[in-house]
Amino acid sequence: SYELTQPPSVSVSPGQTASITCSGDKLGDKYACWYQQKPGQSPVLVIYRDNKRPSGIPERFSGSNSGKTATLTISGTQAMDEADYYCQAWDSSTVVFGGGTKLTVL
Amino acid sequence: QVQLQESGPGLVKPSETLSLTCIVSGGSVSSGSYSWSWIRRPPGKGLEWIGYIYYTGSTNYNPSLERRVTISIDTSKNQFSLKLSSVTAADTAVYYCARAVTRDAFNIWGQGTMVTVSS
Repeated sequence: SYELTQPPSVSVSPGQTASITCSGDKLGDKYACWYQQKPGQSPVLVIYRDNKRPSGIPERFSGSNSGKTATLTISGTQAMDEADYYCQAWDSSTVVFGGGTKLTVL
Repeated sequence: QVQLQESGPGLVKPSETLSLTCIVSGGSVSSGSYSWSWIRRPPGKGLEWIGYIYYTGSTNYNPSLERRVTISIDTSKNQFSLKLSSVTAADTAVYYCARAVTRDAFNIWGQGTMVTVSS
C-alpha cells in the first residue's frame, strides 16, 4: 500500500521559516495537500493541489511538490501556527495521509 | 455555507458495531462533484482515512478496515453513515466526516465526535 512519510516533529523560532516535508514514491506525479490541526479542533485545509491556498489562509503558507517530496513552507512563522500538520494524497482511488508532524514554535 | 455534523453514541462495547451519521446542511449530498468521507484520529496518533461514498452509492474503503466497514448514503435525508463492526479498543478515536471535491482535498470537515470502545 502507498505510504507518505513525515518527520514527527519540527521546531522553529518565531519569525523564521518552517519547512515540513512529506515523502512518497513518485509523489510529484500526484497532487499533495496539507492540513493544520490544533488541539481539540478539526483539521483545516491550508494547501491543496500542491501549492494552492484556500481563501482565508494566510500568504505565509506555501507548498511545493516534486519528485518524491512535497513540502509545506511557513514563512514568518507565528505562535498561532503551532499545530499538527498532515500531508495527504490520492493513490489510485484511495486516500492516504502522512503520519503527521508536530510543529513547535519556540 | 455547507456544514457537516456527526452524531452517534459516544460509547460502544467491544465486539459490537459502531454507528455514526453525518448530517449535511447548506448543500446537497446528491451533488456529483463530491465524495463524502469518514476519517478518524485515535488518541495520540494521526489521521486515518476510513472510506468514502458518492451520491450514487459507490464506495471505496481503506484496505486495512474494509472487511469491517460499511458506508451508506441517504439522499432523502441529506446524510451519510458509517458502520464499523467488531470494534475493539483500537477503534477508540475522534471520528470526522468530511467532504472532498472528487479526488481532491477535504475542504469541509465536521467538528468530530469522540467514540470510546469499552465495556
